[in-house]
Amino acid sequence: DTGVSQNPRHKITKRGQNVTFRCDPISEHNRLYWYRQTLGQGPEFLTYFQNEAQLEKSRLLSDRFSAERPKGSFSTLEIQRTEQGDSAMYLCAIGTPTVIWDSPLHFGNGTRLTVT
Amino acid sequence: RKEVEQDPGPFNVPEGATVAFNCTYSNSASQSFFWYRQDCRKEPKLLMSVYSSGNEDGRFTAQLNRASQYISLLIRDSKLSDSATYLCVVNKEQAGTALIFGKGTTLSVSS
Repeated sequence: DTGVSQNPRHKITKRGQNVTFRCDPISEHNRLYWYRQTLGQGPEFLTYFQNEAQLEKSRLLSDRFSAERPKGSFSTLEIQRTEQGDSAMYLCAIGTPTVIWDSPLHFGNGTRLTVT
Repeated sequence: RKEVEQDPGPFNVPEGATVAFNCTYSNSASQSFFWYRQDCRKEPKLLMSVYSSGNEDGRFTAQLNRASQYISLLIRDSKLSDSATYLCVVNKEQAGTALIFGKGTTLSVSS
């Protein structure tokens, strides 16, 4: 158990629809990350929160994507007007509360999105 | 140059073999280095951190060469259960920033 719960596990949607994913760390972690992974690729960084502040966003995060972490605990990732290219595994990860210079991430089991 | 580059796979080895994976990174300011393991259709899981002096965890040895911006992972006495994709991970540029993942190298260990 990595301490990160993601919902839903799977989502199938039609192109043009909006979807929202949720990430719930079981305990308090000040750093929370979203990644996207497609087949044959490593996870690609999307965005990162330190508590409720969104500190970093990848260029991959187009204006159709928005992420929030309203109270510094759970986080949501919304994709508007989904496209087939959005089909991927969306992974949430938390930073372990150790020395910043050596802080591995621990991932939830992801939300698999299929856009038809 | 990509931020993190890994050996192309797949590596197909028999049980008991020793196998080495290599990884290079582009940003000399990177400070944190890791190897992750990912099983098919599962999330990545931390295998080990990589320290400047090199470190070992059982059959696994990780090395870092900052001058060459190169990281390696050595697996001795391969087991069937080592079959997975191994991801090289480097932090972007300074403490507390995003971790960047390589594409991964697939290992298949056969009996």
